[in-house]
Amino acid sequence: GQQVMQIPQYQHVQEGEDFTTYCNSSTTLSNIQWYKQRPGGHPVFLIQLVKSGEVKKQKRLTFQFGEAKKNSSLHITATQTTDVGTYFCVATGANNLFFGTGTRLTVIP
Amino acid sequence: DAGVTQSPTHLIKTRGQQVTLRCSPKSGHDTVSWYQQALGQGPQFIFQYYEEEERQRGNFPDRFSGHQFPNYSSELNVNALLLGDSALYLCASSSISGRRMGEQFFGPGTRLTVL
Repeated sequence: GQQVMQIPQYQHVQEGEDFTTYCNSSTTLSNIQWYKQRPGGHPVFLIQLVKSGEVKKQKRLTFQFGEAKKNSSLHITATQTTDVGTYFCVATGANNLFFGTGTRLTVIP
Repeated sequence: DAGVTQSPTHLIKTRGQQVTLRCSPKSGHDTVSWYQQALGQGPQFIFQYYEEEERQRGNFPDRFSGHQFPNYSSELNVNALLLGDSALYLCASSSISGRRMGEQFFGPGTRLTVL
């Protein structure tokens, strides 16, 4: 079955520092999605990447899809306390989503 | 515009019992997926319903069953509950049909505790 691994599992940063989470798949992906889940909350869609080598930006967030479409990354510049949560990369199947293991981000004020 | 709603919010059951969880999709959506999220883990796909039929199923036993109604709302049933079924059960809706999955809108979830 689909395997999607993320590193690191946990990350603690000082407010204002940058943060990056990496996602790796055992198979080539047709596309990849990213979701954020706040503590006690539910996953919220952030973005979908489709093209090889694609880079998309949302304010302080930069998402990248690898050339081989087997890996992806999310980079947050100058973290804020509102960035706290678990970030999941998600591989999309025909009718389902395969969630990665997630990276839990803690931002220290 | 109401988003995805789920009921109940919390539920406590004992081993061997049966439970029914409910989900109403976001307005305009016709597809409902169910996920199980154990504490500290990522959501695991249970199954998806479209046009009142199960389209695809994850690696869950037959104790997990579902239903979709003509108004697109859905139920998740779990029989013969085990302690390991304790988790947050998430419902997600979308309007994609017959195509690859697009953005999923998740509900707040139902926290099930099995004692």
